[in-house]
Amino acid sequence: DIQMTQSPSSLSASVGDRVTITCRASQGIRNDLGWYQQKPGKAPKRLIYAASSLQSGVPSRFSGSGSGTEFTLTISSLQPEDFATYYCLQHNSYPPTFGGGTKVEIK
Amino acid sequence: QVQLVQSGAEVKKPGASVKVSCKASGYTFTGYYMHWVRQAPGQGLEWMGWINPNSGGTNYAQKFQGRVTMTRDTSISTAYMELSRLRSDDTAVYYCARDEVGGTVTTVGVWGQGTLVTVSS
Repeated sequence: DIQMTQSPSSLSASVGDRVTITCRASQGIRNDLGWYQQKPGKAPKRLIYAASSLQSGVPSRFSGSGSGTEFTLTISSLQPEDFATYYCLQHNSYPPTFGGGTKVEIK
Repeated sequence: QVQLVQSGAEVKKPGASVKVSCKASGYTFTGYYMHWVRQAPGQGLEWMGWINPNSGGTNYAQKFQGRVTMTRDTSISTAYMELSRLRSDDTAVYYCARDEVGGTVTTVGVWGQGTLVTVSS
């Protein structure tokens, strides 16, 4: 199975901060990666697909980049509604595997 | 719009089985694969498998082989996930999630609201 190593596991940030989350794959996965946001008690919601494409309806402050083994999710200016846990998911190789998650908390 | 509505919370004893349903609306049910993902309390996400609602074909994660069965009823646009021989570490929220692309299997897009399954004696 492909291992997805996500970092950091948690971070504290203030409204307006730029936030970057990283996922590293144990082997190359081209751009077969998505990013998901999950708020407490809710189902995940997809933000980014194909590593860098913004899901319809998702604010443009979210962006994704990377290919191969290293990927990043960037929130350009953190908003109050962005405090949540973020997961990456690779679907290049079966089984699909998630990163361990990054909890973004208020500083 | 695409909507996936799951059945309600369940409490089961160790060794029992649970069957979770996922009713789809807003799209052609047989046109999109359905994935199942689970999340233990305070933990991350774990992919369990998928079903092709058109053919009934399935693909399960090795971890769940022999214990999970995914089925569907096309007449009511509903997918099911049954997990048998439950253990306490099967306590989790179980999600159905529709594949993003029609006619093939790619990755999860829209999610159901989740169903909490608690396994306790």
